[in-house]
Amino acid sequence: DAKTTQPPSMDCAEGRAANLPCNHSTISGNEYVYWYRQIHSQGPQYIIHGLKNNETNEMASLIITEDRKSSTLILPHATLRDTAVYYCIVVIQGAQKLVFGQGTRLTINP
Amino acid sequence: ETGVTQTPRHLVMGMTNKKSLKCEQHLGHNAMYWYKQSAKKPLELMFVYSLEERVENNSVPSRFSPECPNSSHLFLHLHTLQPEDSALYLCASSQGLTGLNYGYTFGSGTRLTVV
Repeated sequence: DAKTTQPPSMDCAEGRAANLPCNHSTISGNEYVYWYRQIHSQGPQYIIHGLKNNETNEMASLIITEDRKSSTLILPHATLRDTAVYYCIVVIQGAQKLVFGQGTRLTINP
Repeated sequence: ETGVTQTPRHLVMGMTNKKSLKCEQHLGHNAMYWYKQSAKKPLELMFVYSLEERVENNSVPSRFSPECPNSSHLFLHLHTLQPEDSALYLCASSQGLTGLNYGYTFGSGTRLTVV
């Protein structure tokens, strides 16, 4: 599976959009980009995933660059409850496991 | 509640004890996983079960013994653990091994302390 690079930490003001970047420059054509988050002392929570096109759901938007080498997770109106560690994971189609990295610790400030 | 229930939430055990962690999913998923999360480390995949068969054992010491009696239940049997085994143990389930459409669903974990 392709490796991902994320900043270790970010801050964002409450009510503003939080944009979390992820670099996956070695991604191959059959690998998906997944985002999860883990709020303190809880299990990770699935947020969104995509292959080529931008995706949006009730939680977030995922913007994938045209060359697929990077992506951005957007939380449009961040709240204090969005404070968590956010993981960007590249998953090959047919893979048997989800491998987590260090993620980005996002802190939403009042 | 996520649909994946783990019990107990907290467990303190001595190094000579035998205990079991339980995971139950009510989502109709056919794959289940155990992950370990030690302090300040990424989640580590321990075991993968698909259709009740173990498909991955990630070089986990034999003092951890998984059991999957059916597609809804997963156990992790523990014996003669070491203090460094203290961690948050997370169970997850998915429809298919990659959880391609809806991702993995995780439980809240069991916080294990070995004394």
